[in-house]
Amino acid sequence: DADVTQTPRNRITKTGKRIMLECSQTKGHDRMYWYRQDPGLGLRLIYYSFDVKDINKGEISDGYSVSRQAQAKFSLSLESAIPNQTALYFCATSEPSSGINEQFFGPGTRLTVL
Amino acid sequence: AQSVSQHNHHVILSEAASLELGCNYSYGGTVNLFWYVQYPGQHLQLLLKYFSGDPLVKGIKGFEAEFIKSKFSFNLRKPSVQWSDTAEYFCAVIVYNTDKLIFGTGTRLQVFP
Repeated sequence: DADVTQTPRNRITKTGKRIMLECSQTKGHDRMYWYRQDPGLGLRLIYYSFDVKDINKGEISDGYSVSRQAQAKFSLSLESAIPNQTALYFCATSEPSSGINEQFFGPGTRLTVL
Repeated sequence: AQSVSQHNHHVILSEAASLELGCNYSYGGTVNLFWYVQYPGQHLQLLLKYFSGDPLVKGIKGFEAEFIKSKFSFNLRKPSVQWSDTAEYFCAVIVYNTDKLIFGTGTRLQVFP
């Protein structure tokens, strides 16, 4: 069974629609992250959370919001989707020890905004 | 701000050729270094990682990487590539005791039989 799951795996929507991407993990990790991947740009951090009471903006948070409903769940919302939010979105988790922060990634959600 | 550079954007090789993908980072302190691979249509998987100790790190599928602190580099190598190595490869860095994984822009590797 996958340790980090994302739903949906693919989504096509229209400009202006509200979209929620969900991430669940069974690894028991406190830290969770949302990234987007664009061709030629690598992965960029949108938001991250160190526990259910802690939410932090990443480098490209504009146009996005998140909710940490529980240790195991971290949702990403696009309040009003626009075409340049078309991308591959990845959720990740980590549990650092001794300053080491290896991250484990979900399978990704491919979002297309028309 | 810390950054990661992958200068090879697209590499095309024949099977059995040797591979070296460059990765340089911009931070002068202690770092943790990673190489991730993304096969077509799949999610990122960890190839190898460096935290401390021997600067030559062996990963899965015959890959290795060498951390050269004086050059701020962590190049990925494989002596003989296979068609199944076709994928996109990402170098990533975490500054020690911080929480942000910084990715390079990726290198697309195509291996032809």
